Amino acid sequence: GDSVTQTEGLVTLTKGLPVMLNCTYQTTYSPFLFWYVQHLNEAPKLLLKSSTDNKRTEHQGFYATLHKSSSSFHLQKSSVQLSDSALYFCALRRGSALGRLHFGAGTQLIVIP
Amino acid sequence: EAAVTQSPRNKVAVTGGKVTLSCNQTNNHNNMYWYRQDTGHGLRLIHYSYGAGSTEKGDIPDGYKASRPSQENFSLILELATPSQTSVYFCASGGTDSNERLFFGHGTKLSVL
Repeated sequence: GDSVTQTEGLVTLTKGLPVMLNCTYQTTYSPFLFWYVQHLNEAPKLLLKSSTDNKRTEHQGFYATLHKSSSSFHLQKSSVQLSDSALYFCALRRGSALGRLHFGAGTQLIVIP
Repeated sequence: EAAVTQSPRNKVAVTGGKVTLSCNQTNNHNNMYWYRQDTGHGLRLIHYSYGAGSTEKGDIPDGYKASRPSQENFSLILELATPSQTSVYFCASGGTDSNERLFFGHGTKLSVL
């Protein structure tokens, strides 16, 4: 079945450093990949999405590139800020799934001064 | 911005009791979803719906029922609540296109004692 793997449960970084949060997926269908961000006591919100192979997508300083050859959609930022501290979920949707999203376990990012 | 409202925000229930979690969306989305969020598991799909009168089982439906009486409303029902159902529950709505994002409610924190 479809699945999403996020290898890091917790990432702690100093402000200003770069970050990469890993996401790999498994599906036999055409994939749509999403990153959602959830700040403390808030609802998850879409950060960015992609279904185009090898095309970088960006939003709010974060970026990711879908690589179908390696089934990956890693989230990156060149310089993290204190406000980036949050829980980040990678999610997968099949092209034919009529709406079902499969979420990874999430990566907690903590940015320290 | 799409609006999804959940009630109650917090709920304490007794083991064996019946619990109903309600969700209302004003976005005219066809698809609605119930997820639960637990540390280390991310967001797991319990039930979802394609429209009024339809409910489908997600990945972890055991112990839960769902009801979609109208386009706007989607309820999650725990007929006999158990402590293992202590969790944070999120309702979401979304369109039918594969690249469309989900809009989440603020969550219901349920404690079953």
